[in-house]
Amino acid sequence: KAGVTQTPRYLIKTRGQQVTLSCSPISGHRSVSWYQQTPGQGLQFLFEYFSETQRNKGNFPGRFSGRQFSNSRSEMNVSTLELGDSALYLCASSGGANTGELFFGEGSRLTVL
Amino acid sequence: DQQVKQNSPSLSVQEGRISILNCDYTNSMFDYFLWYKKYPAEGPTFLISISSIKDKNEDGRFTVFLNKSAKHLSLHIVPSQPGDSAVYFCAAPTTSGTYKYIFGTGTRLKVLA
Repeated sequence: KAGVTQTPRYLIKTRGQQVTLSCSPISGHRSVSWYQQTPGQGLQFLFEYFSETQRNKGNFPGRFSGRQFSNSRSEMNVSTLELGDSALYLCASSGGANTGELFFGEGSRLTVL
Repeated sequence: DQQVKQNSPSLSVQEGRISILNCDYTNSMFDYFLWYKKYPAEGPTFLISISSIKDKNEDGRFTVFLNKSAKHLSLHIVPSQPGDSAVYFCAAPTTSGTYKYIFGTGTRLKVLA
């Protein structure tokens, strides 16, 4: 069973640009969540999508957005990039009745110069 | 307002000894808690969970204890192995039935050979 796949793994952008990150969940999983990891801050919840609908949203500015497609694949977009957006962006998928375990991808490392 | 706290950013333990990682929480409504382990350049992987109705859950070398009166949980690793060296995160779901999680800031465990 293939795991969660995130692309790209690494990218460098400059301030003011925008970026789109992609996540393919585990087959059959309908929930996709996004987290931002920065040093000292742990994992900060961005948003969760379930069946193409945003079910939960974290405390991030409107520059952070996402969507989910009918095949459960998800994208997140960050517009007008700031230096502080440099982080590891992690996608996690979950599905079915279980303990609520999240299955994470390896992340997309974004560096904003 | 951090609802899940890991107050020790790092911990060093000798191989073969016990590692104890701690986590405190403020919200008594959490249904369950999870521990994740993260190696560099990889996404977090699920380690063990505990329901709020239990006070202990064991899985091999890993045991999680929950003290509801103190709002404290701890992860015990016995015996510790060099391969256990990683960052450990505790997490709790903020909303029942969804996958919006609050994560602690993590504890970096180093097991010395």
